[in-house]
Amino acid sequence: AQSVTQPDIHITVSEGASLELRCNYSYGATPYLFWYVQSPGQGLQLLLKYFSGDTLVQGIKGFEAEFKRSQSSFNLRKPSVHWSDAAEYFCAVVSRTSYDKVIFGPGTSLSVIP
Amino acid sequence: NAGVMQNPRHLVRRRGQEARLRCSPMKGHSHVYWYRQLPEEGLKFMVYLQKENIIDESGMPKERFSAEFPKEGPSILRIQQVVRGDSAAYFCASSPGRDRRYEQYFGPGTRLTVT
Repeated sequence: AQSVTQPDIHITVSEGASLELRCNYSYGATPYLFWYVQSPGQGLQLLLKYFSGDTLVQGIKGFEAEFKRSQSSFNLRKPSVHWSDAAEYFCAVVSRTSYDKVIFGPGTSLSVIP
Repeated sequence: NAGVMQNPRHLVRRRGQEARLRCSPMKGHSHVYWYRQLPEEGLKFMVYLQKENIIDESGMPKERFSAEFPKEGPSILRIQQVVRGDSAAYFCASSPGRDRRYEQYFGPGTRLTVT
């Protein structure tokens, strides 16, 4: 079955430390890949997306993600976390053959220690 | 260019009442999607609509829930006879359609509380 997993339910990092959030997908073919961020009580903001080409994708707010086909992964990274990055992060995919819905992972909650 | 708009942002209903959630897509977008986020969970797809057509409603509960996207006006998600389990955040997204259906832009959501 098609699915998106985010192994880490909750992560805590110190401000200024590096961050990596994991995402794995299970699809017949490589889907379109996305990372969204949701601040408490807010909607979703698109951080970055991967469709094709360079496997290292740059996004907003200093985030980047790397697509690894061999591992079916699309991990999100940031070299230095800011307190304002505390939020819920969702990995998401859209099938390239029936791209009519976004399938979201369960989310990773990020806390930042000052 | 205004983004996806949803109203109301917060809605409180008593059990048994009806809830109507509205979504105005981005200008030029003709495809609308509804998602539900239950407390402490991720977003789940509910329904995909084009103007005057329901394309995919595989995520909609079989009873009490309906959605429409009329030729004129916003898309409406309607929940009849609400129950406490309907309390959630409901997000709408829109896309340009055709070969760009994967580009979905999300609204701020409507948070429904059933008392």
